[in-house]
Amino acid sequence: QKEVEQDPGPLSVPEGAIVSLNCTYSNSAFQYFMWYRQYSRKGPELLMYTYSSGNKEDGRFTAQVDKSSKYISLFIRDSQPSDSATYLCAMRRHSSASKIIFGSGTRLSIRP
Amino acid sequence: GAGVSQSPSNKVTEKGKDVELRCDPISGHTALYWYRQSLGQGLEFLIYFQGNSAPDKSGLPSDRFSAERTGGSVSTLTIQRTQQEDSAVYLCASSKGDTQETQYFGPGTRLLVL
Repeated sequence: QKEVEQDPGPLSVPEGAIVSLNCTYSNSAFQYFMWYRQYSRKGPELLMYTYSSGNKEDGRFTAQVDKSSKYISLFIRDSQPSDSATYLCAMRRHSSASKIIFGSGTRLSIRP
Repeated sequence: GAGVSQSPSNKVTEKGKDVELRCDPISGHTALYWYRQSLGQGLEFLIYFQGNSAPDKSGLPSDRFSAERTGGSVSTLTIQRTQQEDSAVYLCASSKGDTQETQYFGPGTRLLVL
């Protein structure tokens, strides 16, 4: 069993829709949670960074962490065609840990 | 400022040959990471350098893989006797090494082993 599970999609939604992307994990020691966006033939770029449980909002993006369920989510409001990309969740045990564990990524397509 | 750069952007090689992939991190970043991304897969951690500390090599898949970081800056990932299953995108990332550990990724090197 992988430490981090993420539905690969593809997920296709119409422009303006609310998108929900999710990951589950098995290691309860994870404390830092991240979402990366990766455009085709580019390296990933950090979107959201959260610590422990709770919500964090940044513009149209909201990250949620539920440590009791070992479940994290990324919501995208008012989705735009430019949001079309692969979204990877990532997590690690503590701030100085070297190893970050990534999900396999969800491919998202926003239809104009 | 300049981001993380990697070279070559694409590499085609024959099975059994050695390859070297290069990463130039952001100036001043003390931490440097190598990852491998196969088609449809997430990022697989390979190796991590932090300052002058011994590197964390726990992700290297076999002894055919090695990496070095000279002068705390440029890093080279070497794959000896390449196999077809080594075909993937090799990504390098760097970070300041502070508690936030925001990693900045390069565009990757696409390696194809024939």
